[in-house]
Amino acid sequence: EAGVVQSPRYKIIEKKQPVAFWCNPISGHNTLYWYLQNLGQGPELLIRYENEEAVDDSQLPKDRFSAERLKGVDSTLKIQPAELGDSAVYLCASSFFGGVPGDEQFFGPGTRLTVL
Amino acid sequence: TQLLEQSPQFLSIQEGENLTVYCNSSSVFSSLQWYRQEPGEGPVLLVTVVTGGEVKKLKRLTFQFGDARKDSSLHITAAQPGDTGLYLCAAYMDSNYQLIWGAGTKLIIKP
Repeated sequence: EAGVVQSPRYKIIEKKQPVAFWCNPISGHNTLYWYLQNLGQGPELLIRYENEEAVDDSQLPKDRFSAERLKGVDSTLKIQPAELGDSAVYLCASSFFGGVPGDEQFFGPGTRLTVL
Repeated sequence: TQLLEQSPQFLSIQEGENLTVYCNSSSVFSSLQWYRQEPGEGPVLLVTVVTGGEVKKLKRLTFQFGDARKDSSLHITAAQPGDTGLYLCAAYMDSNYQLIWGAGTKLIIKP
C-alpha cells in the first residue's frame, strides 16, 4: 500500500514569490494534516482536515497561507507571497480518525522549502 | 509555551551504551506517542501508551508512561547506529484531544 505522497520534495524560490505543495494521503484516511517543521524541532500543526472540512486552522497564518482539500482526498497548501522565515520542511500526514487519542499519524517525506 | 518538554535536546553516545530520554509536562494526557524521524523522512510511530504506569517494549526500546500520565521515558539498551534519529513525543490533551508535539531529542549513535 502506498504511503503519503508529497511533491515536490524540494523547492527553492525567491522571497515574495508564490509556492504550492501537494499531498496525497493514504487511501481511506479521513483526516489530513499539514505541519511545518524547522530544523531539529518538532512538527507544528498548520491545519487539520476531516474529509473536506478544515476543523483546526488556528495556527495557519491566513494572510499568506491557504489550503484546500476539495474532494476530501488530496490537498494543496499555498504560500503567497513567501517570506524568508517560511524556509522549513512542510510535512503532510494522514490518519483514519483525527482527534481520537492514540490515533496513528502517517507522514509523507515532506517538502523542503528554501526562500532566498 | 512548550507544553511538552523533551530532554536532553541532543545526545551523542557510543554504540553499545544505554540511554534514556524524557518527555515531561505539567498537563495530564489521555495518551502519549513516541515517533522516530530520520533525515529527509517524516516521523514514524514507535509506540502509543495509554494507561498510567504502562510499560511497553519494542526490541531494545522500553517506553514508560508516568503514573500520573504527565510524563514518559524512552530507554534504549545497547544502542546501535541504526537508532540514530530525532525522537519525538506527542500527546493528546485530556481537555480537548488535541495532539501536541515536543521539540525532540536528536540522538546520534557512533560506531
